[in-house]
Amino acid sequence: SYEVTQPLSMSVALGQTANITCGGNDIGTKNVHWYQQKPGQAPILILYRDYNRPSGIPERFSGSNSGNTATLTLSRARPGDEADYYCQVWDTYTNWVFGGGTRLTVL
Amino acid sequence: QVQLQESGPGLVKPSETLSLTCTVSGDSITNFHWSWIRKPPGKGLEWIGYIYHSGGTIYNASLKSRVTISMDTSRNKFFLNLTSVTAADTAVYYCARDKGDFGADYWGRGTLVTVSS
Repeated sequence: SYEVTQPLSMSVALGQTANITCGGNDIGTKNVHWYQQKPGQAPILILYRDYNRPSGIPERFSGSNSGNTATLTLSRARPGDEADYYCQVWDTYTNWVFGGGTRLTVL
Repeated sequence: QVQLQESGPGLVKPSETLSLTCTVSGDSITNFHWSWIRKPPGKGLEWIGYIYHSGGTIYNASLKSRVTISMDTSRNKFFLNLTSVTAADTAVYYCARDKGDFGADYWGRGTLVTVSS
């Protein structure tokens, strides 16, 4: 089965840039979506197909995907960006699979 | 505006069947795919499966033997049945509109289901 790995947690200083990674075998050949989930709330789609932002998502969120790593980049971090971030990948055999999630703390 | 709302029992006994309904407004469930996802306490998101416009289904292989997703297009609802539940099935269950390569763009607020005697 296809597996994707994310760091369990990371921190970023206020106003700085965070890069949250999602690793998987040849993930660069697959479409990756990213979700933000705050405590007690439903997940929100923040990027689709690697780097595309849905309407209403700030430009501070960007993404890339190459080789074995997809990356969500959050620029100018704010306290309101503290959340869990999940990548999601479609694999022919495993179908949809989520990464384990990364808890982002803004210091 | 697309809205989804999960409903169903909040408590299910071990070995019984968990049954949830997702009521959709603002879009027809004959469009796109419609997914169930869950989040166990202290763990990450887990995709359960989806149903698409023709009624076809795709399930998470690890749950496939216990899961059934169905739909009622006349009432614009779709359903989740999970049989032989254990404490490991305790989770917040979400339904979502799944646009495949465009991601799951609308989600319900989620409903907590606890498996306990």
